[in-house]
Amino acid sequence: EVQLVQSGAEMRKSGESLKISCEGSGYSFTNYWIGWVRQMPGKGLEWMGTIYPGDSDTRYSPSFQGQVTISADKSINTAYLQWSSLKASDTAMYFCARRAETTEYFQQWGLGTLVTVSS
Amino acid sequence: EIVLTQSPGTLSLSPGERAILSCRASQSVSSSFLAWYQQKPGQAPRLLIYGASIRATGIATRFSGSGSGTDFTLTISRLEPEDSAVYYCQQYQSSPLTFGGGTKVEIK
Repeated sequence: EVQLVQSGAEMRKSGESLKISCEGSGYSFTNYWIGWVRQMPGKGLEWMGTIYPGDSDTRYSPSFQGQVTISADKSINTAYLQWSSLKASDTAMYFCARRAETTEYFQQWGLGTLVTVSS
Repeated sequence: EIVLTQSPGTLSLSPGERAILSCRASQSVSSSFLAWYQQKPGQAPRLLIYGASIRATGIATRFSGSGSGTDFTLTISRLEPEDSAVYYCQQYQSSPLTFGGGTKVEIK
């Protein structure tokens, strides 16, 4: 069974750094792109970027380029999303999702990590 | 960037009725690179439809997708109480990947 297990909820202050994770299991982690999707409170879904764990090829949405860093450690089947300096506007639920093998819809989703940033 | 506009914003229907959700793209989405997701409160999105009309594994047959070009539709043929959710369309023809703003389906 394909599973994406995300790290737990986080609370930080503005200016602090943060790295959240997404561990994949039940499939060949290196062969499927993993995407990150933001959902701000009461709002819709926004694609942030996607990484191919096999070679760490990474694509970012222009809206998030330079604001976050996506990475992966294929030795432990884990993808990451990190911020170097959080803002209150980063408060949101963040989902990781496994892309389909050859195209870019998302077949499987993690349960999400809630990030709360206070000013 | 391809902008997806979903309508209506909210749909309030009774069990057994048919729901028709619209997703309009700002430019043509070729080869039907259009997916639909269902998100229930407090849950992650779930893939319903990809390729505009192909049901994902395990999705009930009352869900169907259609359309091409700039106009796409998700139809729920006979609503059940568990279909209460927000539904999003997503295009994956070009980067950045974009989602519509969602349609909330309420069951009376």
